[in-house]
Amino acid sequence: LAKTTQPISMDSYEGQEVNITCSHNNIATNDYITWYQQFPSQGPRFIIQGYKTKVTNEVASLFIPADRKSSTLSLPRVSLSDTAVYYCLVGLRRDMRFGAGTRLTVKP
Amino acid sequence: KAGVTQTPRYLIKTRGQQVTLSCSPISGHRSVSWYQQTPGQGLQFLFEYFSETQRNKGNFPGRFSGRQFSNSRSEMNVSTLELGDSALYLCASSLGGGVLNTEAFFGQGTRLTVV
Repeated sequence: LAKTTQPISMDSYEGQEVNITCSHNNIATNDYITWYQQFPSQGPRFIIQGYKTKVTNEVASLFIPADRKSSTLSLPRVSLSDTAVYYCLVGLRRDMRFGAGTRLTVKP
Repeated sequence: KAGVTQTPRYLIKTRGQQVTLSCSPISGHRSVSWYQQTPGQGLQFLFEYFSETQRNKGNFPGRFSGRQFSNSRSEMNVSTLELGDSALYLCASSLGGGVLNTEAFFGQGTRLTVV
């Protein structure tokens, strides 16, 4: 299973764009990259998933370079309610291995 | 549609006791996974069931077990509880099968406290 590395924490201000990068050097050919968001005392919530290039949905964008050894979650114009832990997962199997995640704090 | 339902939400047990937690997945979902979350270890995968069969298992002792019923509802059991078993136990359901990169939906979790 591919190991992922993310920053432990990040701070931002309301209205800014936040980019969280995840490194996954030994990603396998069939692996997808998935991001989850978790608020305290709640289960993680799916944000976005991608395989290559760029994926965009109503809440975020995911940028994946050609070598797929990293990926960047982009949150446009964050608000206070985006304060949460963000997890990057890489794999194909259902036994998702969550790393420590990135604790994002959005300040007013 | 209804989300993933976990019961009970909170539980206090004494060391040495056993506990059973329940998870009702989203209707139509056949895969149910269980996770343990603690401040020290983060989110750790316990096991996954698909169509009543355990498909994957994490690195937890045999005291942790689970099962899935024909209606896809799942239970996990922890026997001989230890203080270190205090955690938030999360259940996730997904369609499963075939290509496994399908979105997983998590429940609110069961907060287990062992005293």
